Amino acid sequence: AQKVTQAQTEISVVEKEDVTLDCVYETRDTTYYLFWYKQPPSGELVFLIRRNSFDEQNEISGRYSWNFQKSTSSFNFTITASQVVDSAVYFCALSEAGTGRRALTFGSGTRLQVQP
Amino acid sequence: DTEVTQTPKHLVMGMTNKKSLKCEQHMGHRAMYWYKQKAKKPPELMFVYSYEKLSINESVPSRFSPECPNSSLLNLHLHALQPEDSALYLCASSQSHGTSGSETQYFGPGTRLLVL
Repeated sequence: AQKVTQAQTEISVVEKEDVTLDCVYETRDTTYYLFWYKQPPSGELVFLIRRNSFDEQNEISGRYSWNFQKSTSSFNFTITASQVVDSAVYFCALSEAGTGRRALTFGSGTRLQVQP
Repeated sequence: DTEVTQTPKHLVMGMTNKKSLKCEQHMGHRAMYWYKQKAKKPPELMFVYSYEKLSINESVPSRFSPECPNSSLLNLHLHALQPEDSALYLCASSQSHGTSGSETQYFGPGTRLLVL
């Protein structure tokens, strides 16, 4: 069965620090998709990135970067030069191509607090 | 435009009330979802509609009744709820559902429900 683990429950940093959010997943499928979502206090989940299991290239988008390593089943998310607006709960999620359910499995989330 | 709208933003209801939550998207997506999210927990899938037909019901109690009048609208009818049903209810949509697991889900801002 699929599983997503976000071991960091809460992280607190000071503005301009870099921070990495960890995500470890388990799946038996060879084809799967990994996602990161941001949930600010307002409640809406904001889509950040989708990565398929055949694409291990790291991705950078502005201050955000993602490191996908199949060898360690990890899909970590780094925010460079963090800002107060980055304060939110971040969820990593997994979707498998092979199961009939076709549903997102979410990790438990990491709450990031960026202090000014 | 990746906007999913939900109304109302907040709802307080008694255990004998009947109310409805509404969700709308205009992205041409053919799959729509209801999630329930308790505080400090990840979203939990409740229902999936694909091409206006219910395709997944995650064993949700019958006091929650979904309805998909057309491809842009999704309702959740509530009746005889319990205080433990108090939560954030999130709607999401995606291009399709069930093809490969690759579809990105876009979420609305949610309805915060309090059952007294």
